[in-house]
Amino acid sequence: EAQVTQNPRYLITVTGKKLTVTCSQNMNHEYMSWYRQDPGLGLRQIYYSMNVEVTDKGDVPEGYKVSRKEKRNFPLILESPSPNQTSLYFCASSSERGRPNSPLHFGNGTRLTVT
Amino acid sequence: QQQVKQSPQSLIVQKGGIPIINCAYENTAFDYFPWYQQFPGKGPALLIAIRPDVSEKKEGRFTISFNKSAKQFSLHIMDSQPGDSATYFCAPQTSGSRLTFGEGTQLTVNP
Repeated sequence: EAQVTQNPRYLITVTGKKLTVTCSQNMNHEYMSWYRQDPGLGLRQIYYSMNVEVTDKGDVPEGYKVSRKEKRNFPLILESPSPNQTSLYFCASSSERGRPNSPLHFGNGTRLTVT
Repeated sequence: QQQVKQSPQSLIVQKGGIPIINCAYENTAFDYFPWYQQFPGKGPALLIAIRPDVSEKKEGRFTISFNKSAKQFSLHIMDSQPGDSATYFCAPQTSGSRLTFGEGTQLTVNP
């Protein structure tokens, strides 16, 4: 089944404790990206990747890191999480080579709470 | 920088009604205009999309109307059902990589 898989679904952590949220897609998609969803703010892009070893900042990259060492994986790293990073996170991928002008396929989300 | 403005924030209709959700944008380079539907506990999923060379596209009970000169596009849901209750996002795109979503519209269809 074609899908984007995020893990974990739920995560509670404390301020400053490094964490990684994994994202994997099995559709051979070139384009992958991370979003955070907050009430009243919609979905905001954190980072995106056009291809392996190519990543770029989105609208809200502060406090986050990403890497794209393999085509199928795009982990999101919070080196020192803070309470304002408490949010619902989504990973998404798209098939168009170098272009996101095609539907995004989303994972089911990771709800992160930082205390 | 407000590139995409979606309205209304929330909408309540009775079953059979026709909710309309609007999306206004600023970037004239956008060339793909999708609407996403999100149910609680799930990621958004593509509902319907339109390219700028047509003014309307219909898929089942869902219709997109596109007004290029006004820089806006709308989602119409005909004969709405309780199962259509969800959050809807517009996300106009262009070749390039930044994607901007609207703030979302929470639709409730009462039985």
